[in-house]
Amino acid sequence: SQQGEEDPQALSIQEGENATMNCSYKTSINNLQWYRQNSGRGLVHLILIRSNEREKHSGRLRVTLDTSKKSSSLLITASRAADTASYFCATVPHYNQGGKLIFGQGTELSVKP
Amino acid sequence: DSGVTQTPKHLITATGQRVTLRCSPRSGDLSVYWYQQSLDQGLQFLIQYYNGEERAKGNILERFSAQQFPDLHSELNLSSLELGDSALYFCASSATAGNQPQHFGDGTRLSIL
Repeated sequence: SQQGEEDPQALSIQEGENATMNCSYKTSINNLQWYRQNSGRGLVHLILIRSNEREKHSGRLRVTLDTSKKSSSLLITASRAADTASYFCATVPHYNQGGKLIFGQGTELSVKP
Repeated sequence: DSGVTQTPKHLITATGQRVTLRCSPRSGDLSVYWYQQSLDQGLQFLIQYYNGEERAKGNILERFSAQQFPDLHSELNLSSLELGDSALYFCASSATAGNQPQHFGDGTRLSIL
């Protein structure tokens, strides 16, 4: 079963606006990762945040992690039509022997030009 | 381009049949992961191999098996196929055994008729 819940399930915004997606998870983690998936394609890694980090930036992306609330958020600033995709959070559980990712349901982002 | 190659891209077969999906990891990566993506189950981890050895196992059905060869490519074998096995199957790779970003192939779309 999936560990993460993402909110909202779908988000529609205008180009230039910011998009915020939230993710909650259930168990202790080593790290949390965000991925993007364009329709029918493979997932592309966006950013990894470790359990001892609270915030991380990469270009127009900002990720926060609150381990006390078991939640994370992904902010995309100044969105572009090319950002239209599904976004998934994925956790690596603390008990993990390997590196398996446990994915949330995803947020479908639509950026209108 | 992630550097992960999956073949074939599409596979159409009938119930009861057996298929083999192939994955070549990114050059230098030792870990290979298999995931299944379907509308009702979302993205589910199946199995991980690291340098030829099984490292972690998810909710992989007994009808499914995988292996990683000395040249590090991997195959996922699905047998006694059922309609519910129709899904996108992704392979991903990472440099080491875990806690790193994973690089995904574009997947094999399996359709069971």
